[in-house]
Amino acid sequence: AQSVTQLGSHVSVSEGALVLLRCNYSSSVPPYLFWYVQYPNQGLQLLLKYTSAATLVKGINGFEAEFKKSETSFHLTKPSAHMSDAAEYFCAVSRRREQGGSEKLVFGKGTKLTVNP
Amino acid sequence: DAGITQSPRHKVTETGTPVTLRCHQTENHRYMYWYRQDPGHGLRLIHYSYGVKDTDKGEVSDGYSVSRSKTEDFLLTLESATSSQTSVYFCAISPDRVYGYTFGSGTRLTVV
Repeated sequence: AQSVTQLGSHVSVSEGALVLLRCNYSSSVPPYLFWYVQYPNQGLQLLLKYTSAATLVKGINGFEAEFKKSETSFHLTKPSAHMSDAAEYFCAVSRRREQGGSEKLVFGKGTKLTVNP
Repeated sequence: DAGITQSPRHKVTETGTPVTLRCHQTENHRYMYWYRQDPGHGLRLIHYSYGVKDTDKGEVSDGYSVSRSKTEDFLLTLESATSSQTSVYFCAISPDRVYGYTFGSGTRLTVV
């Protein structure tokens, strides 16, 4: 079964600094990978997704993630943090089916990002 | 979130009472999911549906049941609420899992 590990339950950066949130996955077949963001008292919002096209995926709000098969990683980055980026971020994986489609998403436990002025 | 509505947004109930949470979508998506979110556990899948009257269990289904009699509605029922079911519950929809999920705004349930 596939799984996701997010390294670091809390990450703190200064405004303007690089944001790096780590995600490693486990899947026996090529995966689909996702990053979601959750702002306080809200639901989860899709940031970006990898579905076997380009390995560098660009998302909303200046975020991007790179799929690295050799490292089984899908880390989320943003060159310059903004105060509005403070939120919780979730990595998720699903597995492709040979007959088409994919299985349901499995989520990591989340990383809470704090941005300091 | 556009196209998906959860009700109620907040609920306080007593131990032992039945509780039903509703998820309503206007997107005509095939797949619907119920998750609970708890500190330190992330999101855990309770039940999901892949069509009308087609449902299956997730990883934390004990104490919960679901029903989907129409494409647009997915109901989650706590048969006899317990304090361990105090949580935030999220519904999600998807036309196909490849495209990811759209989440509702959540229901905060407190069992006292």
